[in-house]
Amino acid sequence: EAGVAQSPRYKIIEKRQSVAFWCNPISGHATLYWYQQILGQGPKLLIQFQNNGVVDDSQLPKDRFSAERLKGVDSTLKIQPAKLEDSAVYLCASSLDTRTRYQETQYFGPGTRLLVL
Amino acid sequence: DQQVKQNSPSLSVQEGRISILNCDYTNSMFDYFLWYKKYPAEGPTFLISISSIKDKNEDGRFTVFLNKSAKHLSLHIVPSQPGDSAVYFCAATLEGGRDDKIIFGKGTRLHILP
Repeated sequence: EAGVAQSPRYKIIEKRQSVAFWCNPISGHATLYWYQQILGQGPKLLIQFQNNGVVDDSQLPKDRFSAERLKGVDSTLKIQPAKLEDSAVYLCASSLDTRTRYQETQYFGPGTRLLVL
Repeated sequence: DQQVKQNSPSLSVQEGRISILNCDYTNSMFDYFLWYKKYPAEGPTFLISISSIKDKNEDGRFTVFLNKSAKHLSLHIVPSQPGDSAVYFCAATLEGGRDDKIIFGKGTRLHILP
């Protein structure tokens, strides 16, 4: 079974530029998550989708971050404009369906490492 | 305010001995706890979990113990193997709730020494 795919794996940009990350979850997984992991910290949830609807985006800095999952499968996360403090690893994860099963295990992709100069 | 705390940034253990990773939490509403393992340049992978109705869950070499009164859990790895060298994240959430956001600790880097 293919895992969660993310691209690009690495990205270096200058502050105030824009950047987009792509995630393809495991086939059949209804729930998709984007996490931000700053060096030395644990992953922090940015946004959670159930199919193509947003379940939780309370920790997403909406003035500069946006995310979409148009057809309930792939998702993109965009930062515009980027700040120095956005340097982090952006992890995408997916799970079957958290509505019907207790605490379904989340499967993580390899992440995109972003460096903002 | 950190709701899930892993106070040891790193731990070194001799191969074959027991590794004990500790985790404390502050939110008494948490009722489901997970451990994830992360290798460099890879995403975290689920290792083991425990519900608050239990105080112990075992899976092969991995055992998680939960002390609800102390709001403390620990992960035991016996015996430790070289492939166990990784960063271990403790995480907590509310089981079955609509708001099932997982809160992660900062992680503990485990080094297994030959």
